[in-house]
Amino acid sequence: AQSVTQPDIHITVSEGASLELRCNYSYGATPYLFWYVQSPGQGLQLLLKYFSGDTLVQGIKGFEAEFKRSQSSFNLRKPSVHWSDAAEYFCAVGPIQGAQKLVFGQGTRLTINP
Amino acid sequence: NAGVTQTPKFRVLKTGQSMTLLCAQDMNHEYMYWYRQDPGMGLRLIHYSVGEGTTAKGEVPDGYNVSRLKKQNFLLGLESAAPSQTSVYFCASSPAGGTYGYTFGSGTRLTVV
Repeated sequence: AQSVTQPDIHITVSEGASLELRCNYSYGATPYLFWYVQSPGQGLQLLLKYFSGDTLVQGIKGFEAEFKRSQSSFNLRKPSVHWSDAAEYFCAVGPIQGAQKLVFGQGTRLTINP
Repeated sequence: NAGVTQTPKFRVLKTGQSMTLLCAQDMNHEYMYWYRQDPGMGLRLIHYSVGEGTTAKGEVPDGYNVSRLKKQNFLLGLESAAPSQTSVYFCASSPAGGTYGYTFGSGTRLTVV
């Protein structure tokens, strides 16, 4: 069955430090992969997506993610985090046959230390 | 240019009461989804619709009903609310299901006492 695993429930980094959030997926074909960000009290906003082609994709707010088929991973990175990046981050994979839906990971909560 | 609008944003219900959550999108999207978000559980799909007049069950449909009478609206109903339905509910829409990703509403925080 299709699934997404985000191994880290909570990560704390210092402002200005680099960031990598992990995402592993299980999918039978070439996946469509997404990262979403949810600020406190808000809905989810799309950061970036991978469909095909270049395995390094750029997103909004200075984020990037790299698709590694051999590792079934789609990790999110940012070279230097800002206090405003504190949020919850969700990885998703799709589409799931029939429903054309996405399957979401359980999320990683990011805390930024000043 | 509203995108996906959810009403209400907050609601407190007593056990056994009923209510309807409204989701409206102005992007002419075919697909619409209702999710609930609970701490440590991520997003779980309640019901979804692949077009006007269609609905289907997701992972956690019990206790909920939905309707999609108009393409732009997707209603989520709770006939007899239970404390286990205390959650944050998100609506999402998409032009082509999972291949394009979703646009989310800002959520409805529901508390059942």
